[in-house]
Amino acid sequence: GEDVEQSLFLSVREGDSSVINCTYTDSSSTYLYWYKQEPGAGLQLLTYIFSNMDMKQDQRLTVLLNKKDKHLSLRIADTQTGDSAIYFCEPYGQNFVFGPGTRLSVLP
Amino acid sequence: DVKVTQSSRYLVKRTGEKVFLECVQDMDHENMFWYRQDPGLGLRLIYFSYDVKMKEKGDIPEGYSVSREKKERFSLILESASTNQTSMYLCASSYQGAATEAFFGQGTRLTVV
Repeated sequence: GEDVEQSLFLSVREGDSSVINCTYTDSSSTYLYWYKQEPGAGLQLLTYIFSNMDMKQDQRLTVLLNKKDKHLSLRIADTQTGDSAIYFCEPYGQNFVFGPGTRLSVLP
Repeated sequence: DVKVTQSSRYLVKRTGEKVFLECVQDMDHENMFWYRQDPGLGLRLIYFSYDVKMKEKGDIPEGYSVSREKKERFSLILESASTNQTSMYLCASSYQGAATEAFFGQGTRLTVV
C-alpha cells in the first residue's frame, strides 16, 4: 500500500535554508506535490514536480526528486518567519495520500 | 478563485449526538474528500466521492458516513459522536485527472464532550 514518511518538526533560523524531506513507497504517480498549511487554515498547493524531472526551481523553492530512492525534498532558501507552517508531501498524485506533515518553525 | 467552504469553523457536540459537517465547492469539481487531521498523524482520509451519489471508503471510515446528493455538496455524518472523534476535519475537492491539485476548506474543529 501507499506509505509516506516525513520528519514531524524542523527549526531553522531566519535567513537560513530549510530542507524538508519525504520518503514514499509507491512510485507510479505522474506528479508529486508539496502543500503548505498555515495556522488555522486548510492546505494550499505550494509546488509540484513532474515524475520525469530530478529538480524544479520556483523562486525560493527547490524540489528534488530521487525516484530510485523514492525520496522527495523541498528546499526553502532564505527562510522567513512567514514560512512557518506545516508542509505536507503528497507523492501519489490524484490519490491524495498525504504525509504526516513537517512543522517548520523559523526562529528570529 | 476556487472556493471550498465548510459550514462551521468550530463545533462542540455531546457524546451520542448525530453530527453533520457540510462542505460546498463552487468549481464544479468531480472529486470531493473528507479528512481528519490529528497531531503527529497528518491527514487521514475518511471518505471520498468521485461523482454524485458515489462514495468510497478511505483509510478510517468507521463511525462515519457521507452523503453526496449534489455535485457541489459533500456531507460528513457522525452517526453517534464519540470523544475519540474530537479532531480537525478538512474537506477538499479536485478535478479528476493526473495533474490536478486539491483545494481545501478552512477546516472544522470538532470537540465531542
